[in-house]
Amino acid sequence: QSVLTQPPSVSAAPGQRVSISCSGSSSDIGTNYVSWYQILPGTAPKLLIYENNKRPSGIPDRFYGSKSGTSATLGIAGLQTGDEANYYCGTWDSTVMGVIFGGGTKLTVL
Amino acid sequence: QLQLQESGPGLVKPSETLSLTCTVSGDSVTTNTYYWAWIRQPPGRGLEWIGSSHYSGITYYNSSLKSRVIISIDTSKNQFSLKLSSVTAADTARYYCARTPLTVVADYWGQGTLVTVSS
Repeated sequence: QSVLTQPPSVSAAPGQRVSISCSGSSSDIGTNYVSWYQILPGTAPKLLIYENNKRPSGIPDRFYGSKSGTSATLGIAGLQTGDEANYYCGTWDSTVMGVIFGGGTKLTVL
Repeated sequence: QLQLQESGPGLVKPSETLSLTCTVSGDSVTTNTYYWAWIRQPPGRGLEWIGSSHYSGITYYNSSLKSRVIISIDTSKNQFSLKLSSVTAADTARYYCARTPLTVVADYWGQGTLVTVSS
């Protein structure tokens, strides 16, 4: 099962904006919707973005998503220390007929 | 409110079968628009999808685990389960059950249960 490509880590200061990329191929991101998850230490994954750019109820609009071709991006504006977490992208792969995830990105709020 | 709760042994011996159950409350496992999934996260590593099942019997598995995995749904108990055979230390992970709408990898997750494979 292939893995989507994410940067291992990103960092920014409180109040700033950060972007996390997720790169795939024509059979996964290029064809299917992308979901984004936040995993805080000791907690279950939380859905932040679904269908590329939609937010579930309760997720602030500081979190936003986009997709272009075979890549997707999660943006976080107005960074807070509480945003320090690991972030994962995921999608369906139409070739292997299964779900694939990115390797995860650790966000540090300096 | 939808809740998912994993249950099962926290310790499994090498070569044995890991068995977990996910109890669903607040929704029915027979809802046509949802699959029900198992996803795991080994310590210090990323998320790995194990497989997803629909109550109709349609099931998809991770190709790297397919020979060892069975996911089944018990509609009478509103539960679904995971069986992973011939486990090794590499199967040590936190195992999550989750609900999977058709266009979302997973929207609701259980809290996860840590399963350690050790003699």
